[in-house]
Amino acid sequence: NAGVTQTPKFQVLKTGQSMTLQCAQDMNHNSMYWYRQDPGMGLRLIYYSASEGTTDKGEVPNGYNVSRLNKREFSLRLESAAPSQTSVYFCALRGKSSTEAFFGQGTRLTVV
Amino acid sequence: TQLLEQSPQFLSIQEGENLTVYCNSSSVFSSLQWYRQEPGEGPVLLVTVVTGGEVKKLKRLTFQFGDARKDSSLHITAAQPGDTGLYLCAGALGGNKLVFGAGTILRVKS
Repeated sequence: NAGVTQTPKFQVLKTGQSMTLQCAQDMNHNSMYWYRQDPGMGLRLIYYSASEGTTDKGEVPNGYNVSRLNKREFSLRLESAAPSQTSVYFCALRGKSSTEAFFGQGTRLTVV
Repeated sequence: TQLLEQSPQFLSIQEGENLTVYCNSSSVFSSLQWYRQEPGEGPVLLVTVVTGGEVKKLKRLTFQFGDARKDSSLHITAAQPGDTGLYLCAGALGGNKLVFGAGTILRVKS
């Protein structure tokens, strides 16, 4: 989806390394989300931001931090990566409640 | 455990058969959505249901929202190989929080 840009697309980290996943949008939506997707687990919400300057924990926030510095960008940081964080990470955004969520292409992260 | 429980987890059927996928929760949602996801892509919205008891039809797909707004179902009539994919339900909670079920992998064989 051209409206949601995630970088990088692929990343391999060693245990203990840190990294930031970036998400940027050009759709002017207020709410942004970070999910992780593992086999058989669907999409699990890590953190979300209902508007610029606010962030809230989702279902699985441990080991992650987020930053919503402006309306366009919402980043996800792993301070000390662990093998359990190997997953596909999706950024999503949405306008008002009940409207469609638009997803990025995902970041495939492997922690060895 | 996830807030939204989907069943079945996996479904393999022959072309032309009918099927139903269920999405259940003990929580009340302001709206519920169904998405379909292809390998290597993000989910794409199929439908949003907002009113308890609501039924929406999209060609061969019928979506229903429970009266109490805690559950939903997706029924596919005469499934085709092109329907193969991962089907996800998602519920909107307060504060614009959006949570997903674990998904149902559907495989339709020709």
